[in-house]
Amino acid sequence: AQKVTQAQTEISVVEKEDVTLDCVYETRDTTYYLFWYKQPPSGELVFLIRRNSFDEQNEISGRYSWNFQKSTSSFNFTITASQVVDSAVYFCALSEAPKTGNTPLVFGKGTRLSVIA
Amino acid sequence: DAGITQSPRYKITETGRQVTLMCHQTWSHSYMFWYRQDLGHGLRLIYYSAAADITDKGEVPDGYVVSRSKTENFPLTLESATRSQTSVYFCASSVRGFSEAFFGQGTRLTVV
Repeated sequence: AQKVTQAQTEISVVEKEDVTLDCVYETRDTTYYLFWYKQPPSGELVFLIRRNSFDEQNEISGRYSWNFQKSTSSFNFTITASQVVDSAVYFCALSEAPKTGNTPLVFGKGTRLSVIA
Repeated sequence: DAGITQSPRYKITETGRQVTLMCHQTWSHSYMFWYRQDLGHGLRLIYYSAAADITDKGEVPDGYVVSRSKTENFPLTLESATRSQTSVYFCASSVRGFSEAFFGQGTRLTVV
């Protein structure tokens, strides 16, 4: 069965520090998709990125970058030069795509990031 | 308005009462989902639907009922509310099961 583990429950950093949020997943499928979502204090869930299992290229979007490593079943998220507005709960999620049909997203328990000015 | 909307945003109900949470999306997405968010548990799937009239259980379906007679609506009913169902409920939709899901604003439900 699919599973996502975010071992860091809470992280606190000072503004401008870099921070990495860890995500480890478990799946038996060779085809799957990984996601990151952000939940700011206002409560909505904001999609950040989707990555499929066949694409191990790292991705960078502004101050955000993602490191996907199949060898360690990890999909880590790094924020460079953190800002107060990055304070939020971040969720990693996994969806399998077996031939029998796609599976809904399974979420990790989230990591609460606090960026202190 | 385009997007996915949930109603009500806040609800207080008594133990034993039936409650229905509404979810409406305007994208004509095939898939719709209900999650609940609880401290220490993250987001857990209650039910999902791949298309109209097709629904399936998620991780925590007990005590909940869903229906999907129209593609755009996916109501969640608590048949007899219990205090353990106090939670924030999120509805979401996606084009396909493995594509990114877009979430509603959430419904904060308190069962007293």
